[in-house]
This record gives sequence, structure tokens and C-alpha cells, in this order.
Amino acid sequence: AQSVTQLDSQVPVFEEAPVELRCNYSSSVSVYLFWYVQYPNQGLQLLLKYLSGSTLVKGINGFEAEFNKSQTSFHLRKPSVHISDTAEYFCAVRTSGAGSYQLTFGKGTKLSVIP
Amino acid sequence: NAGVTQTPKFRILKIGQSMTLQCTQDMNHNYMYWYRQDPGMGLKLIYYSVGAGITDKGEVPNGYNVSRSTTEDFPLRLELAAPSQTSVYFCASTTGTSGKRYYNEQFFGPGTRLTVL
Repeated sequence: AQSVTQLDSQVPVFEEAPVELRCNYSSSVSVYLFWYVQYPNQGLQLLLKYLSGSTLVKGINGFEAEFNKSQTSFHLRKPSVHISDTAEYFCAVRTSGAGSYQLTFGKGTKLSVIP
Repeated sequence: NAGVTQTPKFRILKIGQSMTLQCTQDMNHNYMYWYRQDPGMGLKLIYYSVGAGITDKGEVPNGYNVSRSTTEDFPLRLELAAPSQTSVYFCASTTGTSGKRYYNEQFFGPGTRLTVL
């Protein structure tokens, strides 16, 4: 079984400052990794995903994440945040083998961008 | 495409009442999922389906039932509502087929906010 730990439940950051949202996972098999964003009162939207290949993955809205297998991490970064980035961010993992394509989610990190 | 739609958006139930949360997708996805989201707890999988007629339990299935008679619809049934079922419920779907553009991405509905009093 796999699990996901998001190390910060809340992250306040000033507008135009950089941000990093941390995610660690545990799994005994190969995994695929995802970051989803949830804006207030909305469903989840995929930001980016790591399936294989380059460990640096670029997503929508200027976000990127780096897969680090040795540290079992998949941290999300943005060099300069905007007010509109205020949302909750979820890291998720699933095993790369065939199956039901189930995702295991972290508990989420609330990003608050301060003007 | 409308994507994944859920009804109702909001609902208040009394303890012991029953209701069905509706979920429909128009992307011809094989795989569908029901999650519940509680504050600070992330999303927990309730039930999932890998195709019409096939369903299975997720992490937190107690108190819920599902059916999948068509590819498009995946309703979630609460038989005897309890305060512990107060939550936001999300339905999601994915194609599960390699070669498709959105392979590996789960698409989420807007959610149903349920309160049990």
C-alpha cells in the first residue's frame, strides 16, 4: 500500500514570492505522482503529473515539480505566486501497474497568497 | 462535453433519512470513483467502478452503496444517514486506456455538500 504525506497544512506567502509545497510518498513499487489544485467551492483540477522520463515536470499556471526517487519526494514549486494561486493543493500517488487506477491523496496544503 | 456532473450541489438530511447522490460523465470513461472530503483529511475513496456492472469498495465504504448499470452513471446511495456522513462528496472518472490524451488523469465533478443533522 502507498501513502502520501504533505508536510505543511498551510503555507502563507507574499505575492510575487516563490513557493514550495512539499510532498513525500511511500510505496514498495513504482508509482505515478500527481498534483491537483482545488479552488474554493470547486472540484479538483490536475496541475501536473509524473509518469516517467524527466524528473522535472512542468504543469499549468507556471507550476513545476521535481520527482526525487531517492528521497521519495515530489515537491511543487512556483517562482512567483499570484493572488489567483490561493487554493488548496493535493499531492496524489498511484501504483504504475495495471489495476483500478486508484489515487491515494495527501491531506492537502492550503496556499494563501498575501497581497 | 460537460465532463463530470453531480447533483445536487447541496443537501441537508435528517438522521436516518436516505438519499442518492447522482454522478454522470459524458467522456465514455470506464473508471469512476466516489470520494469524500473532510477538512484537513484530504480525499478518501468510498467506492469505485472499473466498468458497467463492476463495483468495489474503497477505503471508507461503510454506510454507502453504489451501482453502475451504465457507463455514464455512478450513483452513490446513503441508506441511513448519520452525522459522520456530513462531508463534501466528489465523483471522478478516468479513461484508464493508454494512448488516450487524458490517460492517467482523473476528472472531478464540482462536488455535493451534504449535512446530516
